[in-house]
Amino acid sequence: DQQVKQNSPSLSVQEGRISILNCDYTNSMFDYFLWYKKYPAEGPTFLISISSIKDKNEDGRFTVFLNKSAKHLSLHIVPSQPGDSAVYFCAARISGAGSYQLTFGKGTKLSVIP
Amino acid sequence: DSGVTQTPKHLITATGQRVTLRCSPRSGDLSVYWYQQSLDQGLQFLIQYYNGEERAKGNILERFSAQQFPDLHSELNLSSLELGDSALYFCASSERLGAYGYTFGSGTRLTVV
Repeated sequence: DQQVKQNSPSLSVQEGRISILNCDYTNSMFDYFLWYKKYPAEGPTFLISISSIKDKNEDGRFTVFLNKSAKHLSLHIVPSQPGDSAVYFCAARISGAGSYQLTFGKGTKLSVIP
Repeated sequence: DSGVTQTPKHLITATGQRVTLRCSPRSGDLSVYWYQQSLDQGLQFLIQYYNGEERAKGNILERFSAQQFPDLHSELNLSSLELGDSALYFCASSERLGAYGYTFGSGTRLTVV
C-alpha cells in the first residue's frame, strides 16, 4: 500500500517556464511534508517542507502548496533552470509517532530543456 | 559532501553471501536511518537508530540487521543475499528525533550476482 504517490514518473519543461510536480497521499495522519532533490550518484538533498497547518511555503524559486482536503501537495519551480534537472521525491511523516521516519514517493524525474 | 559517509560506494557479491554496509553520520547527529531504493521504487524505510538504540523498524527483512555503535556510526548487515536485494542503500542522519528532514549519504550500490 503506497501511502505517498507521485503519479508522473517524468516531466519535461522549457527553461524559464514553471515546473509543477505533484504528490498525493492517503494517510490523513501525515502532518509534515518534504521535497527532496536527487542528482545521479548522489543522495537525496532536502529542498523545502511544509507543515500541515499551512497551505503554502515559499523559498526563493521553490513553492510548495498543500491541499489537505484533497490530500495533495505540489512543488512549483519558477523559473525553471537546467540545473533543476533531477529526480524529485515527495515525503511525509507523522510527528509524535516516536520515530519521525519519512515515507517517500517513487519520485518524478524533471528535465529542464535549455 | 553532505557530512554523512557511506562505505563502500559499490559492492558486488554472489547470492547467499553476507555483506556489511557502513554509515558515519554527520557530526553531532544522534539518529541514523537506513533506506533501500530498488529499481523503479521510492526509498523504502528499513530501520532507525537513535543514540545507540533501535527506534523503529520498517520493511526490513529478517535476513537484514543493523546496529549503531557508541561512536554513533551504524552498520547494516545483509545476509543470505538474493538477486532481489540488489539496490541502492542509503543512510541518513538527523541531530534529534524531531528534526525536520534528514541529511543523506551518497549511498551504497549493492549488486548481487
